[in-house]
Amino acid sequence: DIQMTQSPPTLSASVGDRVAITCRASQSISSWMAWYQQKPGKAPKLLIYKASSLESGVPSRFSGSGSGIEFTLIISGLQPDDFATYYCQQHNKFPLSFGGGTKVEVK
Amino acid sequence: EVQLLESGGGLVQPGGSLRLSCAASGFTFKNYGMSWVRQAPGKGLEWVSIFTESGTALYADTVEGRFTISRDNSKNTVYLQMNSLRAEDTSVYYCAKSAAANTVFDSWGQGTLVTVSS
Repeated sequence: DIQMTQSPPTLSASVGDRVAITCRASQSISSWMAWYQQKPGKAPKLLIYKASSLESGVPSRFSGSGSGIEFTLIISGLQPDDFATYYCQQHNKFPLSFGGGTKVEVK
Repeated sequence: EVQLLESGGGLVQPGGSLRLSCAASGFTFKNYGMSWVRQAPGKGLEWVSIFTESGTALYADTVEGRFTISRDNSKNTVYLQMNSLRAEDTSVYYCAKSAAANTVFDSWGQGTLVTVSS
């Protein structure tokens, strides 16, 4: 099974900051990486798939990069609506697996 | 607009059973894989099971042999039969639709809470 390790677990930032979240897979997953945003009490929302493809309707300040085992989600110019928890997910093979999450909080 | 509406959650004793349902609308249901993803209180996301559009059912190791996923394309509904429930199965269970040609989840339901406790 593929294990996903996200870092950092918590990130303190201010509006306008550039934020980077990293996810490392226990084995190569090519570019089969997705990123989700989740707010308290709500279902997750798909942001990025296949490492760098932006889901329809997602603001362009969100971007993804990486391949193999190391991936990054970048938020360029953090907005008030972006304070949330972010999860990575490998979609290379079953069983599908998520990272432990990164909570982006107000600094 | 895609809508996914889960039902069937509740309180159940350890060793008991529960059946979750997810009614879908707004898309051609039979053409997409459907999954269940759960989230224990205060914890992260865990994929549980998928029923693919081609008819394959797959499970996480933690539920294999205890949970059964099924779907009724005539009713646009996916189900999760949960048997031999344990305290560690306590979670919000989300129904999620797979994106086309990808096992990522582009639409989610609001979730239904399952609590396993005596």
